[in-house]
Amino acid sequence: GEDVEQSLFLSVREGDSSVINCTYTDSSSTYLYWYKQEPGAGLQLLTYIFSNMDMKQDQRLTVLLNKKDKHLSLRIADTQTGDSAIYFCAESRGSGGYQKVTFGIGTKLQVIP
Amino acid sequence: NAGVTQTPKFRVLKTGQSMTLLCAQDMNHEYMYWYRQDPGMGLRLIHYSVGEGTTAKGEVPDGYNVSRLKKQNFLLGLESAAPSQTSVYFCASSGSASSGELFFGEGSRLTVL
Repeated sequence: GEDVEQSLFLSVREGDSSVINCTYTDSSSTYLYWYKQEPGAGLQLLTYIFSNMDMKQDQRLTVLLNKKDKHLSLRIADTQTGDSAIYFCAESRGSGGYQKVTFGIGTKLQVIP
Repeated sequence: NAGVTQTPKFRVLKTGQSMTLLCAQDMNHEYMYWYRQDPGMGLRLIHYSVGEGTTAKGEVPDGYNVSRLKKQNFLLGLESAAPSQTSVYFCASSGSASSGELFFGEGSRLTVL
């Protein structure tokens, strides 16, 4: 079955880089995602990577995918206090006419000023 | 553009009471989902719909019913609420069967006493 694991908590100082890690088990995943949840809000898609890619960069965000080890990471450069949130790793695959999305439990990022 | 709107945002129920959560999206999306979010467990799929008039069970459907009479609305019902259903409920929608990009509402916090 599908399973997505990530650590619960990460604390970094403002201006440092943050690296949030995730492992998944489903080798048939089509896409892998990072969602961000700010307090009192719903999840919002931050970035995603197609399963045949190794890396994707989008401004301060870098996503690395090691498909062999089923390991996904999100690096946030020059972390700001506004980056404090819960980050969810997710994977999706086609299932019965829709994309079945499986989420990890979320990593709470605390940015210390 | 409102996106995905959930009502109510907060509700307190007594055990055995019934209620309905309403989700409305204005993006003309075919796919809609109800998730629950519990501490340490991430998001779990309750029910989903791949189009108007269709519904299907997700990961944790017991104790819930859904209806999708109109394309823009997806209702989640609790016929006889139990304390185990205390949670934050998120509705999401998607416009594609090939992408796991989900658009989330802000959540509905339900407490069952």
